[in-house]
Amino acid sequence: GAGVSQSPSNKVTEKGKDVELRCDPISGHTALYWYRQSLGQGLEFLIYFQGNSAPDKSGLPSDRFSAERTGGSVSTLTIQRTQQEDSAVYLCASSNRESNYGYTFGSGTRLTVV
Amino acid sequence: SQKIEQNSEALNIQEGKTATLTCNYTNYSPAYLQWYRQDPGRGPVFLLLIRENEKEKRKERLKVTFDTTLKQSLFHITASQPADSATYLCAPDSGSARQLTFGSGTQLTVLP
Repeated sequence: GAGVSQSPSNKVTEKGKDVELRCDPISGHTALYWYRQSLGQGLEFLIYFQGNSAPDKSGLPSDRFSAERTGGSVSTLTIQRTQQEDSAVYLCASSNRESNYGYTFGSGTRLTVV
Repeated sequence: SQKIEQNSEALNIQEGKTATLTCNYTNYSPAYLQWYRQDPGRGPVFLLLIRENEKEKRKERLKVTFDTTLKQSLFHITASQPADSATYLCAPDSGSARQLTFGSGTQLTVLP
């Protein structure tokens, strides 16, 4: 597609439930990133995928968070046993390192844990 | 540890004036520096990338400078308009294929 697509745009879940957030990056972009942005805060890096290399998971805040990227394209971020502090906007971005045109972000998924 | 500081949390200016936003970084040696704009409820949008060997870069009403000695980048919006109101983020970029770390941003409001 023309941009990075994320779904759902909004998700309300009960504490303790699992959630899956989806990101469909720009076709041909080899790099995919997940960030988290809490209300009024900056962007917090979560995980990075580059081609077929092992992902950089150094930003994942706990083992309840995991992500995968299938076929070098679509990525899914999974949060297990959600907690209220997981409430935030989860942003996905993709890039082509050769283009120097920066990251293209999706509009994010607003997750609310009640 | 690496640190990115953007000037004041909020900046208010009158329409038509030049807005100047500051990005200072420590314990980085970036090959590039990127600037993004973020509107409420949206993801950041890439604006400009400046390389370490470029002192200045322009795009329409935007101008970015990059001083690797001062470890600082300045972002200017000339002839500012209310539509320029947004949060602006800087991100030093090492140039390796790793993730960017973003500054916390400066919220700019252009008053009509």
